[in-house]
Amino acid sequence: DTEVTQTPKHLVMGMTNKKSLKCEQHMGHRAMYWYKQKAKKPPELMFVYSYEKLSINESVPSRFSPECPNSSLLNLHLHALQPEDSALYLCASSQPLSAGELFFGEGSRLTVL
Amino acid sequence: SQQGEEDPQALSIQEGENATMNCSYKTSINNLQWYRQNSGRGLVHLILIRSNEREKHSGRLRVTLDTSKKSSSLLITASRAADTASYFCATSSTGGSRLTFGEGTQLTVNP
Repeated sequence: DTEVTQTPKHLVMGMTNKKSLKCEQHMGHRAMYWYKQKAKKPPELMFVYSYEKLSINESVPSRFSPECPNSSLLNLHLHALQPEDSALYLCASSQPLSAGELFFGEGSRLTVL
Repeated sequence: SQQGEEDPQALSIQEGENATMNCSYKTSINNLQWYRQNSGRGLVHLILIRSNEREKHSGRLRVTLDTSKKSSSLLITASRAADTASYFCATSSTGGSRLTFGEGTQLTVNP
């Protein structure tokens, strides 16, 4: 069982909708990550939070807005998405930016109509 | 640019056989990790090898690292149908915290 919990598991939204993906971990990790993964491709880094502060933004379009309310929670707010944004969104956590092991959630499968 | 490249892209073997996957990378690394992903699921960490290590074992897994060739291999011995998954190498660059994934190898173990 994963110790990183992502909700919802599946999300279908229209291009004008506003929705959020949520991620929670209780391992005391102080680094949290959002990755995007298209079918048959590797995960691509989107954002990294370290000690609740955004430390890496991989030039992600502003229609994706991350938020880290506390050390256990990570959100990804979605607005005005495009069909090509349909993908598996993976949350991960680790010891603070130690370049060690990442612990992944099961992902949220997003479909944009 | 993508740090790691893996080959083969796909590998199909019979249960009980060994599976070997290779990963090449471009820049100096702090460590190299291997992850497994079952279809549509999250990634699971398998093993981490540091830049000053040459070989590491974990159960049926054996990882080698050749920093002079900028390459690594993952060997799964005595494969099982349950090993069917995608396997990704991931590298952490020297001085950086960003983990970059290779293209992955899709392993199918036939019962």
